Amino acid sequence: DGGITQSPKYLFRKEGQNVTLSCEQNLNHDAMYWYRQDPGQGLRLIYYSQIVNDFQKGDIAEGYSVSREKKESFPLTVTSAQKNPTAFYLCASTVRLAGISVGTDTQYFGPGTRLTVL
Amino acid sequence: AQTVTQSQPEMSVQEAETVTLSCTYDTSESDYYLFWYKQPPSRQMILVIRQEAYKQQNATENRFSVNFQKAAKSFSLKISDSQLGDAAMYFCAYRRGPGSNYQLIWGAGTKLIIKP
Repeated sequence: DGGITQSPKYLFRKEGQNVTLSCEQNLNHDAMYWYRQDPGQGLRLIYYSQIVNDFQKGDIAEGYSVSREKKESFPLTVTSAQKNPTAFYLCASTVRLAGISVGTDTQYFGPGTRLTVL
Repeated sequence: AQTVTQSQPEMSVQEAETVTLSCTYDTSESDYYLFWYKQPPSRQMILVIRQEAYKQQNATENRFSVNFQKAAKSFSLKISDSQLGDAAMYFCAYRRGPGSNYQLIWGAGTKLIIKP
């Protein structure tokens, strides 16, 4: 079955540690996104990537890093510089590059990872 | 900057009845896209319906339909014949145009409760 997988489902981090959240898709989608969701708020964009080996900062990139070495994978690292990392993290992907198919892209989401700082 | 506002933090409806969730947005763009996503307790974000701003006809997906008022910048979601499985958080989202790499701007969400 095609889809987006995120692992782990739950993740616990100690103060000062870096942790990496996995996001994999087998939909052959070009663009991938990372969002953060806090209680009572909408999603906020952390990073996005429209093509392999390229990515851009979103609205709240500070304290996070990403890589896009493969089309299928877009891991997110939450660094110790992120002061309040406890949140729910969602990964999404889009079928086409925005520049090729203007406005027809719909984002599809993985099941999410709940990160808690101990 | 574009903003999306969902003024109803929580709504409740009796099973089998109709409910309307409100969404307003602010933008100076003329070409954009609007979405309603559903997030059930599993927290999986699921696309419910989408609307292209250049289309005057309101989008419909089975029991879900929208009332898109472009001049008023309003994008409400109507759920007919509400079912227990419709209970979820509902998010309205605006998709920016080409100059902003098509990022989504999200509302804060509306919690929908279905009463049996």
